[in-house]
Amino acid sequence: GENVEQHPSTLSVQEGDSAVIKCTYSDSASNYFPWYKQELGKRPQLIIDIRSNVGEKKDQRIAVTLNKTAKHFSLHITETQPEDSAVYFCAASKDRGSTLGRLYFGRGTQLTVWP
Amino acid sequence: DSGVTQTPKHLITATGQRVTLRCSPRSGDLSVYWYQQSLDQGLQFLIQYYNGEERAKGNILERFSAQQFPDLHSELNLSSLELGDSALYFCASSVAGGLGEQETQYFGPGTRLLVL
Repeated sequence: GENVEQHPSTLSVQEGDSAVIKCTYSDSASNYFPWYKQELGKRPQLIIDIRSNVGEKKDQRIAVTLNKTAKHFSLHITETQPEDSAVYFCAASKDRGSTLGRLYFGRGTQLTVWP
Repeated sequence: DSGVTQTPKHLITATGQRVTLRCSPRSGDLSVYWYQQSLDQGLQFLIQYYNGEERAKGNILERFSAQQFPDLHSELNLSSLELGDSALYFCASSVAGGLGEQETQYFGPGTRLLVL
């Protein structure tokens, strides 16, 4: 099965700085890579995703890059704000017939943004 | 609000008991996924249903079972509960059809289970 590794496990940055979280995956058949933000006790919330036919995707202060050859993808948050503080999870999946397959999650990164 | 609903929000029970967790997917979503989140195991996939049929199984214990009903809501049954089953249980749903570029998984608010 798929194995997703995520680094770092904790990340502290000053408000306004950038934050980068990196993930690697093992199954070259994986073709869908979402990122979720989870605040304490809340549900994982999708913040951005990328499919394997695209190398980079951006949404305001958040961007994701994908390197299929190296089997790694990264989340970039610019101009961080205290409300960005949360646990971020990367995941990998592949389509199964007519629907999306299960998500394989990384272990999460606790991001803390200091004012 | 993702549009996925789960009940109950909290559940406290004793070892050896049986509980049922309920999930209603977003309107029109055919797939339902169940995940367990604990501190030591992270987010673990349990099982997926698609339009009433089991589609994929993960590390789901034999004491656990699930089903998806004709109206597409799903239930996760946990029996002979142990202390280690205490966790957050999430369901997610996804849009189906044509391997759409729009398809993704949206999570419900979760059920927090505490086994005493």
